[in-house]
Amino acid sequence: AQKVTQAQTEISVVEKEDVTLDCVYETRDTTYYLFWYKQPPSGELVFLIRRNSFDEQNEISGRYSWNFQKSTSSFNFTITASQVVDSAVYFCALSGDNYGGATNKLIFGTGTLLAVQP
Amino acid sequence: DGGITQSPKYLFRKEGQNVTLSCEQNLNHDAMYWYRQDPGQGLRLIYYSQIVNDFQKGDIAEGYSVSREKKESFPLTVTSAQKNPTAFYLCASSIVWGFGNTIYFGEGSWLTVV
Repeated sequence: AQKVTQAQTEISVVEKEDVTLDCVYETRDTTYYLFWYKQPPSGELVFLIRRNSFDEQNEISGRYSWNFQKSTSSFNFTITASQVVDSAVYFCALSGDNYGGATNKLIFGTGTLLAVQP
Repeated sequence: DGGITQSPKYLFRKEGQNVTLSCEQNLNHDAMYWYRQDPGQGLRLIYYSQIVNDFQKGDIAEGYSVSREKKESFPLTVTSAQKNPTAFYLCASSIVWGFGNTIYFGEGSWLTVV
């Protein structure tokens, strides 16, 4: 079975602090993709990143960085120098090839609410 | 601007009534999806459509129906058979069907049963 766990329900930081959001996944697929989405108070899910299982290189985009470690089945997300505009719910999601089956089903974690205080 | 437009943003329904949520995309995407989000939970797949005139049930299709008569449109009807319809509904699309394709979401619709 596929599963995504975001153990941190809520995180509160003060502006300019660094914060890491944890994501642990379970899958028996050898090929899979991992995603992060941001959901601001407006409700829309905003796509942040997609990573496939064969690419373990860390990625940095501005103040955002992602650490993918297959050995620990984790895909953690770090925001450096957080800002109030980063306040949102962040979702980690997994898409597996279902043993070669044709599917584009995303398995979501329950999300982490990040509150950045000014 | 290209994107996914959902309407209405807020909708109130009386028990026993059917309601239809609209979803339109101008991204020229083949695949479209409907997800349901309940407070404090992740998203669950209701229905998906790989291509026009095709749709398949997701994990929680009971009490819902869809149609895909046009590539850009994928309306969702919440029927009176849905036992607990109050939720946030998100429409989404991807350029093609197939695992690993990035799914893009609309702004969502809040449905409340009164």
